[in-house]
Amino acid sequence: QSVLTQPPSVSGAPGQRVTISCSGSSSNMGAGYDVHWYQQLPGTAPKLLIFGNTNRPSGVPKRFSASKSGSSASLAITGLQGEDEADYFCQSYDNRLSGYVFGTGTKVTVL
Amino acid sequence: EVQLVETGGALIQPGGSLRLSCAGSGFSVSGDFMSWVRQAPGKGLEWVSSLYASGTTFQPDSVKGRFTISRDTSKNTLFLQLTRLRAEDTAIYYCARHGVLGDAFDIWGQGTLVSVSS
Repeated sequence: QSVLTQPPSVSGAPGQRVTISCSGSSSNMGAGYDVHWYQQLPGTAPKLLIFGNTNRPSGVPKRFSASKSGSSASLAITGLQGEDEADYFCQSYDNRLSGYVFGTGTKVTVL
Repeated sequence: EVQLVETGGALIQPGGSLRLSCAGSGFSVSGDFMSWVRQAPGKGLEWVSSLYASGTTFQPDSVKGRFTISRDTSKNTLFLQLTRLRAEDTAIYYCARHGVLGDAFDIWGQGTLVSVSS
C-alpha cells in the first residue's frame, strides 16, 4: 500500500490553476528525501514531470511547478489545458521500508 | 534515441513462472540504475525491484524471494524473473531508468502485461 497520500481527484476549467498535494512522513520526504512527480496519460506509461522537488526535465511546459516543505509536497498546474487531463503520482524514497514509494495518485479532470 | 522496450508478458497460472525482458537503446542498461515498477489494473504504481550499476540488487518484502532482477550487458537488456506467481501479481510491468536525474525514474518503457489466473 502507498505511504504517500494524494487526493483521488481534482478538477478545473481550462486556464485555471489546480494543485495536487502529496503527504508523507518522517521516513520519506520528512527525512529529506527528494520528491518527484509523474504524469500518466490514459493508456500510456508514466512520464517524469518534476524531479528533485522543483525541477522540470527538458520539454516539460513551464505551467507545471512543484514545491516541497517538510514531509509534504505539492504540484501546481497553471493555465490548465485539456491535454493535462491525466493521472499524477508523487514518488520518494522511504528509509523505514528501504525502498521507493509512490503516491496514491490523483486524477486531474479538465471541465 | 533513449528508449526501453519490454516484452515477455503473458497469461500465466497461479504458481507459475515468467521472465520479462527490457531492451535498452541509446544508453547502457549496465551503466545506469535500473528498476521495475508495476501497476495493477486501475491502481497506482508499485516499485518492484532495482539493480545498481555495481550489481547490487534490492526489492520490497512483497516480492523478495519470488522475483529476481538481472541484466545481460552484451544484449543491453534488463530482466525480471517472476516465480510463484499469485493473482495479486497481475499488473503492467514497466522497466525504468533512474540515477541520472537524482533518483527520479526518468525513462520508462511502454510496459508489458502479466495476468495471473487459472
